[in-house]
Amino acid sequence: EAGVTQSPTHLIKTRGQQATLRCSPISGHTSVYWYQQALGLGLQFLLWYDEGEERNRGNFPPRFSGRQFPNYSSELNVNALELEDSALYLCASSRLWAGGRETQYFGPGTRLLVL
Amino acid sequence: GENVEQHPSTLSVQEGDSAVIKCTYSDSASNYFPWYKQELGKGPQLIIDIRSNVGEKKDQRIAVTLNKTAKHFSLHITETQPEDSAVYFCAASKAAGNKLTFGGGTRVLVKP
Repeated sequence: EAGVTQSPTHLIKTRGQQATLRCSPISGHTSVYWYQQALGLGLQFLLWYDEGEERNRGNFPPRFSGRQFPNYSSELNVNALELEDSALYLCASSRLWAGGRETQYFGPGTRLLVL
Repeated sequence: GENVEQHPSTLSVQEGDSAVIKCTYSDSASNYFPWYKQELGKGPQLIIDIRSNVGEKKDQRIAVTLNKTAKHFSLHITETQPEDSAVYFCAASKAAGNKLTFGGGTRVLVKP
């Protein structure tokens, strides 16, 4: 079974530009989560999508947004890029089962560098 | 909101020795505590998790203990091997599918 996949693996942008990151969850998983892993700041929760709806949002400005498509894949958009947006962006997915929602499995991440 | 603290930030052990990483959390409503291992250039990989109705869980050389009263949980790795070298993260959430709040990570180095 394929794991969570993310594209691109690396992305270089300049300040003020927009970045689009993509994530495909594990087959059968309906929830997608986005986390930011910036140097020295650890892993911070960004967004959670489930069945196409935004379920929860972390403490990030509105220029961080995303969406989930009918096939459960997801896109993270970062507008008006700032230097401090440079980080590894991780996507995770989980599935719903009889006992509730299962744990989150992470993809390899997209490394975004803002110059 | 939830706050998770993790100690130590770095841990160096001799191959074959045990490694222990400790985490504390602030929100008594947290009920789910996973541990992830992250190797260089890769995403975090789940290695073990525990729910609040369980005090201890083992999987081969890895064990996790949870003290809900004290709001702390620990990861124990026995008979460490060089391939255990990585960064380990603890996390807490109200349920498995809810947002995870991570500790700051522990860099473990196993010396052959």
